[in-house]
Amino acid sequence: TQLLEQSPQFLSIQEGENLTVYCNSSSVFSSLQWYRQEPGEGPVLLVTVVTGGEVKKLKRLTFQFGDARKDSSLHITAAQPGDTGLYLCAVSDSWGKLQFGAGTQVVVTP
Amino acid sequence: ETGVTQTPRHLVMGMTNKKSLKCEQHLGHNAMYWYKQSAKKPLELMFVYNFKEQTENNSVPSRFSPECPNSSHLFLHLHTLQPEDSALYLCASSQDIARVEGADTQYFGPGTRLTVL
Repeated sequence: TQLLEQSPQFLSIQEGENLTVYCNSSSVFSSLQWYRQEPGEGPVLLVTVVTGGEVKKLKRLTFQFGDARKDSSLHITAAQPGDTGLYLCAVSDSWGKLQFGAGTQVVVTP
Repeated sequence: ETGVTQTPRHLVMGMTNKKSLKCEQHLGHNAMYWYKQSAKKPLELMFVYNFKEQTENNSVPSRFSPECPNSSHLFLHLHTLQPEDSALYLCASSQDIARVEGADTQYFGPGTRLTVL
């Protein structure tokens, strides 16, 4: 079993719609990171959440860390084609060893 | 911004070939990483180097041999690979490996798409 379970695996929506992707675990984490990976590129860090219940906003992206620090969600409002990509959640230990979820592939069509 | 570069971007090799992947970071970081990304599987950490010293070998088969001659360069030497080794190989770097004040934030290169025939 994977440490981080991401759902859904794939999401295809029209421009202007909203979407939410999830990252779940049975373990408790001190922090969690969200990355976006565009085709032909490596992952790029979007945000790090560290406090249970924390909500962070990055333009149209809203990230939430669960109260128990076991799960997180990413909500995109009014999605744009530029939001297309693989969204990955990850956690790290004290020495920088990152463990990733399998990711959610998001496709936003015009 | 091309903080972390990887060459080649694409590589096709036979199972008996020997090839090397190169990663270079221009960010002044001290830690470098190799990851493997296979279809529908999570990114897998392979190796970690900190100040040129290997600090992590995540049970990687010996047909993958890393080399870190200095803090800016990282190589992955490949020999007698198997078709199941076909994947995207990503390099990353961070200021440090310790999770202090964001110093462990990793910056990824674009990857090398490897196909083993």
